[in-house]
Amino acid sequence: QVQLQESGPGLVKPSETLSLTCTVSGGSISTYYWSWMRQPPGKGLEWIGDIYYSGTTNYNPSLKSRVSISIDTSRNQFSLKLRSVTAADTAVYYCARVIVGATVGYYYYMDVWGKGTTVTVSS
Amino acid sequence: QSVLTQPPSASGTPGQRVTISCSGSSSNIGSNTVNWYQQLPGTAPTLLLFNNNQRPSGVPDRFSGSKSGTSASLAISGLQSEDEADYYCAAWDDSLSGREVFGTGTKVTVL
Repeated sequence: QVQLQESGPGLVKPSETLSLTCTVSGGSISTYYWSWMRQPPGKGLEWIGDIYYSGTTNYNPSLKSRVSISIDTSRNQFSLKLRSVTAADTAVYYCARVIVGATVGYYYYMDVWGKGTTVTVSS
Repeated sequence: QSVLTQPPSASGTPGQRVTISCSGSSSNIGSNTVNWYQQLPGTAPTLLLFNNNQRPSGVPDRFSGSKSGTSASLAISGLQSEDEADYYCAAWDDSLSGREVFGTGTKVTVL
């Protein structure tokens, strides 16, 4: 059974770069898409972006200028970097596996999620 | 930021049926399939329904979904205390080079 685990610093200073890693266990990172989401305290979910095992990425336009997602298939890990963070980036960050395809319309859903990691932006 | 609109809250007594709506547009729900996620208090979201009405293994058949035009809905029949959670709809949006969008979320309370 595939499991995902987020890791990284819980505190980041304003204007610095937030860096998180998601480790995939119990299955291969290959042949799937992998995504990052976040949830500010008391608020809803926001999709940050995704990466295919080949390295192809897709980002939320609202974050595109500050985000990069990379993948290391040899380590079964993928990572998130968010530059120039502010207090508005304080959130629980989740990684997830994505199932995509097309039948009648495009389908895209996250079937396995990590437990999430809290990141606070503060000096 | 949320593109899909849900009622902020819904409630019912044990055994009742509760329905949650999700309103979108032609670029998301109108074109692509809808998924629903359940987030129990203090935990990560989990996939509840995918492709409008399909249940992953382990999800009780008390949960059902439907889609019509640019709207979708989630129904919980035979409401149970363990169903008290936040529920989010989601769909792929074809605008702005493509992105996944979530609903505003609905808090379900079991009275």
